[in-house]
Amino acid sequence: DSGVTQTPKHLITATGQRVTLRCSPRSGDLSVYWYQQSLDQGLQFLIQYYNGEERAKGNILERFSAQQFPDLHSELNLSSLELGDSALYFCASSPNSGANVLTFGAGSRLTVL
Amino acid sequence: AQTVTQSQPEMSVQEAETVTLSCTYDTSENNYYLFWYKQPPSRQMILVIRQEAYKQQNATENRFSVNFQKAAKSFSLKISDSQLGDTAMYFCAFNYGGSQGNLIFGKGTKLSVKP
Repeated sequence: DSGVTQTPKHLITATGQRVTLRCSPRSGDLSVYWYQQSLDQGLQFLIQYYNGEERAKGNILERFSAQQFPDLHSELNLSSLELGDSALYFCASSPNSGANVLTFGAGSRLTVL
Repeated sequence: AQTVTQSQPEMSVQEAETVTLSCTYDTSENNYYLFWYKQPPSRQMILVIRQEAYKQQNATENRFSVNFQKAAKSFSLKISDSQLGDTAMYFCAFNYGGSQGNLIFGKGTKLSVKP
């Protein structure tokens, strides 16, 4: 157990729907990162939050949004889902704002039918 | 922009032998971090080893060691005494070390350890 908790582990939904993925960082970590892993794009950085504020943005679609709450857990919201959004979504956390000590969760597998 | 290239999509090695996975990167930064992550069939991303660019000494972690060539922008991973449990995808990753950071990953190398 890495200490980073992601729910749900698996999610199957239909095109056009909206889902929320949840992440609890490792105790004491202030930064949360979201990554998408798909077969064609590999591991892509989506977004980073540090202590409740957006810190860095990567290849995140406008249909996706995220936030980090005062208790430091984070949610990734995916809306108007398309088949191509099927992927493994990882959350990772780090103690500070830098990514040199990153711990990953087990991932949430999203399947869009 | 920083890029990470892993030129070996797949490799295999016999149990107990040694294998080296290649990684090259491109950056104009001078201070940065390099990583190797392992992703077994369980999907979990597990940190194998980390190297700070300012350190000349190559990092080692038990059976895992790196050959870091800063001038050549090369960062290879050597696995000694390969075990069946080493079968996994291996990703090389880069972080420039700033306060606003994220990891840039290579496409990965699928390693199979054969009995």
